[in-house]
Amino acid sequence: GQNIDQPTEMTATEGAIVQINCTYQTSGFNGLFWYQQHAGEAPTFLSYNVLDGLEEKGRFSSFLSRSKGYSYLLLKELQMKDSASYLCAVMDSNYQLIWGAGTKLIIKP
Amino acid sequence: GAVVSQHPSRVICKSGTSVKIECRSLDFQATTMFWYRQFPKQSLMLMATSNEGSKATYEQGVEKDKFLINHASLTLSTLTVTSAHPEDSSFYICSAKGGGHSQPQHFGDGTRLSIL
Repeated sequence: GQNIDQPTEMTATEGAIVQINCTYQTSGFNGLFWYQQHAGEAPTFLSYNVLDGLEEKGRFSSFLSRSKGYSYLLLKELQMKDSASYLCAVMDSNYQLIWGAGTKLIIKP
Repeated sequence: GAVVSQHPSRVICKSGTSVKIECRSLDFQATTMFWYRQFPKQSLMLMATSNEGSKATYEQGVEKDKFLINHASLTLSTLTVTSAHPEDSSFYICSAKGGGHSQPQHFGDGTRLSIL
């Protein structure tokens, strides 16, 4: 079967750095997406990785290792508004998106 | 760019009513649109995928006669929940993507449906 694993919840301090991990087992791989979803709102696109390595976009970076079936989202200089759920999604060999359950990130002052 | 408009944002109606939700891509052509349902504190659940001009592909367990999807143009898809009941109350979200598999899905703001 296809499976995406990410921690259910994480807590971090304002101004700090947090890394949210995602591991996957899917039938084929055509890229990995990270989305941010605030409570009661729809997801917004953060990043897309299809090749190994780190993609940096401002305070957010996303890393991919295809051989390990592993990705992480790194958030720097955390702000209170970063409190949200972060969803990892993998595109399989049929170009279908397989969604993780999301990681709820709580930022404390 | 890549703005998706979904409305209404909230619907409260009586049991037995049919509800139509619209999803529009405002600044790009959406070759594929997706409809999701999300219950509180749960992950997104894909209901169906629709390509412009084709019949929607429904996920297992989703009743196609209850959740009617129309994707008549490259910028508009509609979801109609027919004869809605309280168990259909949920957060319905559409997304749209343009050509190319590496293109991300862009989401509408969602519709919170409450059936009394």
